[in-house]
Amino acid sequence: DTAVSQTPKYLVTQMGNDKSIKCEQNLGHDTMYWYKQDSKKFLKIMFSYNNKELIINETVPNRFSPKSPDKAHLNLHINSLELGDSAVYFCASSLPGTVPGELFFGEGSRLTVL
Amino acid sequence: AQSVAQPEDQVNVAEGNPLTVKCTYSVSGNPYLFWYVQYPNRGLQFLLKYITGDNLVKGSYGFEAEFNKSQTSFHLKKPSALVSDSALYFCAVREEQAGTALIFGKGTTLSVSS
Repeated sequence: DTAVSQTPKYLVTQMGNDKSIKCEQNLGHDTMYWYKQDSKKFLKIMFSYNNKELIINETVPNRFSPKSPDKAHLNLHINSLELGDSAVYFCASSLPGTVPGELFFGEGSRLTVL
Repeated sequence: AQSVAQPEDQVNVAEGNPLTVKCTYSVSGNPYLFWYVQYPNRGLQFLLKYITGDNLVKGSYGFEAEFNKSQTSFHLKKPSALVSDSALYFCAVREEQAGTALIFGKGTTLSVSS
């Protein structure tokens, strides 16, 4: 039973299109994240939500809009896709709290913009 | 601002030999430190963490890491490497302050030869 699941796993699209990536976790965690991994494998935090509330919003273009309909889901919508958006996007979740627990990652969604 | 450095892009060891993957960090205040492993086309998996207490932390798959406050380091170690340990390893740090994100190093590729 997958703990953090992302769909789709692969996404190939044209520049200028709008696309969404969905993420669901069944761990009962309150906090969810989106990370971007570029072609050099560098991981960068994009957003973090705690119980549907945005708590971290790094320097990300406003073409990227996260949405959390409930604490088990965190979706990522991207408008007007650009070549530089090509990357692997990872969703993760964790228990909240001052002392951090580990992050549980999904398998990633590989986005290719042509 | 918090940061983490992994000075080696790649570490090569022979099976059965000890391995070390280096990590240094910079934070304001006390750090929370983590190691993750990523296998090809997979999400990241948690290995171990240092929050407080004993400087030597033991984790999954026989890995351990030593927290050294004076050297601001958190090197990952294993006494005897396996070929199956070959993967990409990430060190990560978070500040003590709540609401901050986990920041990852650029990763170190470990290659264990038989």
